[in-house]
Amino acid sequence: EPEVTQTPSHQVTQMGQEVILRCVPISNHLYFYWYRQILGQKVEFLVSFYNNEISEKSEIFDDQFSVERPDGSNFTLKIRSTKLEDSAMYFCASTRGSADTQYFGPGTRLTVL
Amino acid sequence: AQKVTQAQTEISVVEKEDVTLDCVYETRDTTYYLFWYKQPPSGELVFLIRRNSFDEQNEISGRYSWNFQKSTSSFNFTITASQVVDSAVYFCARKGGGADGLTFGKGTHLIIQP
Repeated sequence: EPEVTQTPSHQVTQMGQEVILRCVPISNHLYFYWYRQILGQKVEFLVSFYNNEISEKSEIFDDQFSVERPDGSNFTLKIRSTKLEDSAMYFCASTRGSADTQYFGPGTRLTVL
Repeated sequence: AQKVTQAQTEISVVEKEDVTLDCVYETRDTTYYLFWYKQPPSGELVFLIRRNSFDEQNEISGRYSWNFQKSTSSFNFTITASQVVDSAVYFCARKGGGADGLTFGKGTHLIIQP
């Protein structure tokens, strides 16, 4: 069964550095999502992406964040200048239709030192 | 914001007991979707069930059952004859139409003791 994959599984970076988190959505899916989960807290929506542009974004998704689908398979989340509070698990999800169930990738744990 | 509330932060029961996890949601949408996800200690988010707002039929799947009541904006989840492997954090989530994301509750940490 097709799955959403994410790389790396764990990323450690220094405050102020740029990081790119990578996701490979399920191949025939059209909607792509990023979420984050700070340790011990709830999962929070960051952004949705459809037809090569952002569809919706939350208040968390400020100017330091960007998303891109650089080719036909990858969907990336870039954090321009990481802060300590960006330390979290970042989950990617994808769906074929906007109302379909979101299946999540295994997550990338980002640690900002 | 249209919130999802899971009032139970943590529940601890002994194996084989039945346990119900509560979820109350807010919505201004006519059409919306409700979900339960399980997050075991390994950290992944595992989809369990979804309900569309226009389908109030409750469902039983093995030891799991769900009770969706639009009148009280609740979508509760029951595990019958709990097992240690059911120990996890369970999240209730809501989604409206369009490409908006899921709004999650804070989760209920379920501990099943042997």
